[in-house]
Amino acid sequence: NAGVTQTPKFQVLKTGQSMTLQCAQDMNHEYMSWYRQDPGMGLRLIHYSVGAGITDQGEVPNGYNVSRSTTEDFPLRLLSAAPSQTSVYFCASGTSSYEQYFGPGTRLTVT
Amino acid sequence: TQLLEQSPQFLSIQEGENLTVYCNSSSVFSSLQWYRQEPGEGPVLLVTVVTGGEVKKLKRLTFQFGDARKDSSLHITAAQPGDTGLYLCAQTGTSGTYKYIFGTGTRLKVLA
Repeated sequence: NAGVTQTPKFQVLKTGQSMTLQCAQDMNHEYMSWYRQDPGMGLRLIHYSVGAGITDQGEVPNGYNVSRSTTEDFPLRLLSAAPSQTSVYFCASGTSSYEQYFGPGTRLTVT
Repeated sequence: TQLLEQSPQFLSIQEGENLTVYCNSSSVFSSLQWYRQEPGEGPVLLVTVVTGGEVKKLKRLTFQFGDARKDSSLHITAAQPGDTGLYLCAQTGTSGTYKYIFGTGTRLKVLA
């Protein structure tokens, strides 16, 4: 099993550009989520999904969109990148027993 | 707003020493998880606790969940350099939802 995979590993965007961060899992988990991690701030939940076709907002959803058309994939879209979105982004999948498994992260810089 | 505070923020100790890190919440947990994160990688789940007063052991790591389900501690016995990393606690939202809240972490460095 590959677990949770994320692409790309690194990305540099200019302000105003859009892009999609990809996340896939092969563990058949219903739960998937996106977090951002900034220095001194821990991980903050952006959006999450409890199954295909079901998404909900986390703590910091503004400027991001998600969709969940399959159990395996949960892409995160940045609509119009801003320097405040410079961060490390982690995708996770999880079980109903409150276990989460994280991907390796995407380091995003917005100039 | 739920808040999850971890202490200390930073800890630097010698190999062989014992240590305890703490996680305190402003509200009752449905469940609590502890993770370890190494530089450049995603967090790795260490343990999940759901019952007040629960104690779980993972080799030299002992996790305790407070009776009132608002606090937790992680105790490491005879720390080793391989224990170095960022230790994060996380709780589920109220009523057991999957809206996880993470603490800001304890950064541990174990010197050989």
